[in-house]
Amino acid sequence: GENVEQHPSTLSVQEGDSAVIKCTYSDSASNYFPWYKQELGKRPQLIIDIRSNVGEKKDQRIAVTLNKTAKHFSLHITETQPEDSAVYFCAASFGGSYIPTFGRGTSLIVHP
Amino acid sequence: GAGVSQSPSNKVTEKGKDVELRCDPISGHTALYWYRQSLGQGLEFLIYFQGNSAPDKSGLPSDRFSAERTGGSVSTLTIQRTQQEDSAVYLCASSLALQGHRYAGEQFFGPGTRLTVL
Repeated sequence: GENVEQHPSTLSVQEGDSAVIKCTYSDSASNYFPWYKQELGKRPQLIIDIRSNVGEKKDQRIAVTLNKTAKHFSLHITETQPEDSAVYFCAASFGGSYIPTFGRGTSLIVHP
Repeated sequence: GAGVSQSPSNKVTEKGKDVELRCDPISGHTALYWYRQSLGQGLEFLIYFQGNSAPDKSGLPSDRFSAERTGGSVSTLTIQRTQQEDSAVYLCASSLALQGHRYAGEQFFGPGTRLTVL
């Protein structure tokens, strides 16, 4: 089955800095890669996703890049703010199997 | 419309008792998922429903865990003879993962049920 590795497990940055979280996946058939943000005590919520037919997607301060050859994808957050502090989960799945495989999460801490 | 709801929000039980956790998915969502999240940990997949059937039960940790879904809507996760290691937040999610679609879709999570087994 699919295996998703996520790094780092913890990331501490200063407000205004950029943050990058990386994930690798094992199944070349995976074609959908969402990122979820989970604030303390809250439910996970989708913040951005990318499908295998594109290499990059941006939404304001967040972007996701996908390298299908190397089987890795990354989340980029620019101009970080304290409210970006949360746990971020990457996931990978493919059509025909609707069960995403999640990474173990990255705890992002943005210091004011 | 309304999002995914779960009940109860908190459940405290004694070791050995049975518990039932309920999930109301978003109307029209055919796919429903149960996850377990221990404190500070990731999302542990438990079971997936497509309509009323469960094509993947591989994540259920033991035969004390079972789940059902009726009418393609509400789902119940039952844990029998609870143990202290069952203490966690149980999250439900739903999505429009229709059969035949090329891509899986966004999952919408409920607020979770925090289960504490004393």
